[in-house]
Amino acid sequence: ILNVEQSPQSLHVQEGDSTNFTCSFPSSNFYALHWYRWETAKSPEALFVMTLNGDEKKKGRISATLNTKEGYSYLYIKGSQPEDSATYLCAPNTGNQFYFGTGTSLTVIP
Amino acid sequence: GAVVSQHPSWVICKSGTSVKIECRSLDFQATTMFWYRQFPKQSLMLMATSNEGSKATYEQGVEKDKFLINHASLTLSTLTVTSAHPEDSSFYICSARAAYSNQPQHFGDGTRLSIL
Repeated sequence: ILNVEQSPQSLHVQEGDSTNFTCSFPSSNFYALHWYRWETAKSPEALFVMTLNGDEKKKGRISATLNTKEGYSYLYIKGSQPEDSATYLCAPNTGNQFYFGTGTSLTVIP
Repeated sequence: GAVVSQHPSWVICKSGTSVKIECRSLDFQATTMFWYRQFPKQSLMLMATSNEGSKATYEQGVEKDKFLINHASLTLSTLTVTSAHPEDSSFYICSARAAYSNQPQHFGDGTRLSIL
């Protein structure tokens, strides 16, 4: 079992603010890092899959970076909107096993 | 694309009953399926990983005789909670992945299990 930590646990921001949160994971036996968005009453939705150290992925206002040597990934949201409110989960996988972090619950206040 | 269907979405039953949850990949072949459990205010806890046609790999602390997993085809995996008790009440969610690679998982909508 991998020890995956996400911080902060929860976050409240005003609409239009930019925000970021962290996923920390053991750097050994790393294969890929996945980010998911989980909205209430829906199933988790895949955002990014990153594999290479220094990788940066972007999808609209959301982007993510990866540091495999030190074992962390940042997720950034630029100009947060109410529809961004969700729990953001990261999951490193070692081969065919995924271990989810506790998630960061984001609430964007209109 | 990449739709995963999970049924039932909610089950309420008496203690001692066995409950089967189905997870189907509707538009792709799922080489690997995962079963997770979520306790209140906690993250998804991986219970087991199953590959089509082979025995599931259970995580430490998960009773394989209690949580029977079958992955008989590339589109269907089932989780059976045998002789369920109130402590088994939880949210169970499955996911499926197309290939052993960096492909993301695609999740079902989850099953809320309540044992009286």
